Amino acid sequence: DTAVSQTPKYLVTQMGNDKSIKCEQNLGHDTMYWYKQDSKKFLKIMFSYNNKELIINETVPNRFSPKSPDKAHLNLHINSLELGDSAVYFCASSQGDPGDTQYFGPGTRLTVL
Amino acid sequence: AQSVTQPDIHITVSEGASLELRCNYSYGATPYLFWYVQSPGQGLQLLLKYFSGDTLVQGIKGFEAEFKRSQSSFNLRKPSVHWSDAAEYFCAVVLNTGFQKLVFGTGTRLLVSP
Repeated sequence: DTAVSQTPKYLVTQMGNDKSIKCEQNLGHDTMYWYKQDSKKFLKIMFSYNNKELIINETVPNRFSPKSPDKAHLNLHINSLELGDSAVYFCASSQGDPGDTQYFGPGTRLTVL
Repeated sequence: AQSVTQPDIHITVSEGASLELRCNYSYGATPYLFWYVQSPGQGLQLLLKYFSGDTLVQGIKGFEAEFKRSQSSFNLRKPSVHWSDAAEYFCAVVLNTGFQKLVFGTGTRLLVSP
């Protein structure tokens, strides 16, 4: 009965490859997010979807493409992986109002070699 | 520039001692304020939040935080730290712009000594 789940937990790949990270929430929330946490633990929002529509798109390279097939899922596809993409990626969900709690997944540690 | 500052990169506290983690924000209006905790290898968990009302907010695990408008601060406190509190603590804000965009501080790593 995990609230926000991500797969895989670890992802090791070569530069230039394409990879996807999946996220699912069973909380019935309308809004989902992707965050990137770098090696210094700094967390920054990348994308936010509300009811399958993109509402936040930070200055992220267009090699990153989120896809929301339904409001319970938000996947992250990354093309042409670069060394600098190595990080921990967190998915989160909330009802979307400014004061709502965001519930985070366990994270996916991506290592690009 | 709009920002969230956690001036302490890491803090070491003895088990049983009190704790205060600092957070300052720089925004024109009072934002929504949050404290999240990240245990090693885990996702983030909300400790507490503030957006109006009583400026002293109680959270989970015995934590509390006080909002001080005059100092643009939202410091996190705990009267007696347990070894299991060792983790990374993040202050975050959301501007009341109609949708939720969390902006995090740089985090404070709490180490608990025996």
